[in-house]
Amino acid sequence: GAVVSQHPSWVICKSGTSVKIECRSLDFQATTMFWYRQFPKQSLMLMATSNEGSKATYEQGVEKDKFLINHASLTLSTLTVTSAHPEDSSFYICSAGRGMNEQYFGPGTRLTVT
Amino acid sequence: GESVGLHLPTLSVQEGDNSIINCAYSNSASDYFIWYKQESGKGPQFIIDIRSNMDKRQGQRVTVLLNKTVKHLSLQIAATQPGDSAVYFCAENSRTSYDKVIFGPGTSLSVIP
Repeated sequence: GAVVSQHPSWVICKSGTSVKIECRSLDFQATTMFWYRQFPKQSLMLMATSNEGSKATYEQGVEKDKFLINHASLTLSTLTVTSAHPEDSSFYICSAGRGMNEQYFGPGTRLTVT
Repeated sequence: GESVGLHLPTLSVQEGDNSIINCAYSNSASDYFIWYKQESGKGPQFIIDIRSNMDKRQGQRVTVLLNKTVKHLSLQIAATQPGDSAVYFCAENSRTSYDKVIFGPGTSLSVIP
């Protein structure tokens, strides 16, 4: 159990367009989901905490108007990268919380902006 | 976003040897620590965790040691195998930031056959 999926697994988009990434908890309900970004050969950097039914909480330095997060149900959170630019190219990873100290990670989404 | 450092140290070990991967943390309020393994192009995979009221925990071929005095964690992998080659991250969570997991810089482990 405790499987988290992401869709798509990879995406290529043109500069200036927006792209949506989905994160789903397949076999449990997650009131909290987290979004991370990872550049090559670097660590995972927490971008935001997504709470079901309320506004996301963004980490310092992360533009909330650029990275739109929606957590409309207990099994789905979406991250939309708006007006993407090449510097937004990265590996985006989500995780879903099933309780205190119980977090499960998705397989990641590779975004390439051309 | 938060992260601890931006560089990726590397460790090379001979197949069959033991590996020790170290990690320092800075938040004295952290009370839960996790080690993750990440293979290329994949999400992090849970290996083992430890709470701050413990100083050692063992799993299958892995042991985590916690030294709260110097804020240091280590992951020991016994009889390292080629399939252990990956990037390993320590991560921490504090009682003051509900379920927010912050990752350390990571160590790339390369196993020499």
